[in-house]
Amino acid sequence: NAGVTQTPKFRVLKTGQSMTLLCAQDMNHEYMYWYRQDPGMGLRLIHYSVGEGTTAKGEVPDGYNVSRLKKQNFLLGLESAAPSQTSVYFCASSSQGVRHNEQYFGPGTRLTVT
Amino acid sequence: GQSLEQPSEVTAVEGAIVQINCTYQTSGFYGLSWYQQHDGGAPTFLSYNALDGLEETGRFSSFLSRSDSYGYLLLQELQMKDSASYFCAVLYGQNFVFGPGTRLSVLP
Repeated sequence: NAGVTQTPKFRVLKTGQSMTLLCAQDMNHEYMYWYRQDPGMGLRLIHYSVGEGTTAKGEVPDGYNVSRLKKQNFLLGLESAAPSQTSVYFCASSSQGVRHNEQYFGPGTRLTVT
Repeated sequence: GQSLEQPSEVTAVEGAIVQINCTYQTSGFYGLSWYQQHDGGAPTFLSYNALDGLEETGRFSSFLSRSDSYGYLLLQELQMKDSASYFCAVLYGQNFVFGPGTRLSVLP
């Protein structure tokens, strides 16, 4: 099992450009999450999904959109990138029930917006 | 809103015991989790406390007191590889909230 994978690993964007980050998990997890982590800080939840076809806003959703068309994939989109979106983006997944709190994280995408 | 507080840094020597505290200000949450993150790496799950008390997993233990809105992670027999950042997290509804993290440095 690959666990949680993220594509790409690194990206540099110019202000105003758009891009999509792809997250895939092969553990048949119901829940998936997108976080951002800024230097020296904790993770902040951007959006999450509790199942295929559903998405919801987290703590810092502005400037981002998400889609979960397939259970194993969770896409994060930036329509018009801004320097404030320079960060490391982590995707995570977890199962239902008592194991819900055990999240599995991908390796991260390091995004720089100039 | 929800907020969690952790000490920013802790230093200890190899073989020692260290406790990392986490206090939270939220209600209606479903337990306290702990994650480890090495520099440049992804967070990895360590433990989860749904109920008050102590949970032990090898060298790591985690404690929760919901009446005191407080928990801690206890690391025993510290090893150099334990040098990392440690985050507490609470599940509030479907929304996970992470603490700012504690950077642990283990000295030889």
